[in-house]
Amino acid sequence: AQKITQTQPGMFVQEKEAVTLDCTYDTSDQSYGLFWYKQPSSGEMIFLIYQGSYDEQNATEGRYSLNFQKARKSANLVISASQLGDSAMYFCAMREEFQGAQKLVFGQGTRLTINP
Amino acid sequence: GAGVSQTPSNKVTEKGKYVELRCDPISGHTALYWYRQSLGQGPEFLIYFQGTGAADDSGLPNDRFFAVRPEGSVSTLKIQRTERGDSAVYLCASTNQGDTEAFFGQGTRLTVV
Repeated sequence: AQKITQTQPGMFVQEKEAVTLDCTYDTSDQSYGLFWYKQPSSGEMIFLIYQGSYDEQNATEGRYSLNFQKARKSANLVISASQLGDSAMYFCAMREEFQGAQKLVFGQGTRLTINP
Repeated sequence: GAGVSQTPSNKVTEKGKYVELRCDPISGHTALYWYRQSLGQGPEFLIYFQGTGAADDSGLPNDRFFAVRPEGSVSTLKIQRTERGDSAVYLCASTNQGDTEAFFGQGTRLTVV
């Protein structure tokens, strides 16, 4: 079974600093996808970034980048130049493909607080 | 609609009562997923629909939970004889073939008292 581990329950960062949120994963599949979602207090899950297991380049989306280290089974999220609006819960997830379904297996999340 | 819509946004019910939670996916999305997010946890998969059929219901915790999607669009998650342990946020997501990511609604916060 697939498993996602996020070891940082909470992170506090000064505005404009960069922050790295840790994520390690466990799977026996050769083909898989890794995601980061942001969940503000409103509750919806907002997609941030995706990394496929066969992608050779680390994924980037604006201020977000994914530091993918396949041998270490880690997929850390890096947010550059943090903003107050980045304060939220952040979830790392792995896509599990089974009979056409693309189920997501989530970690426990990291609560990020950006201080002014 | 523009996004995934879930109603109600909040539901308080008494232990033992029956509840229905509704999800209206993005128009045209063929796949629909239900997840449950307990306090302080990440979402956990409950059930997946491809069209009208439940293709994978392996995440439903017991037979008190049931979901339908009769016309391949709106889905209803039904919980019978609710228990306090059912209190959680129930999230719905939809995707279309070729999509990388799943699109989530804002969830229904269910509180069983």
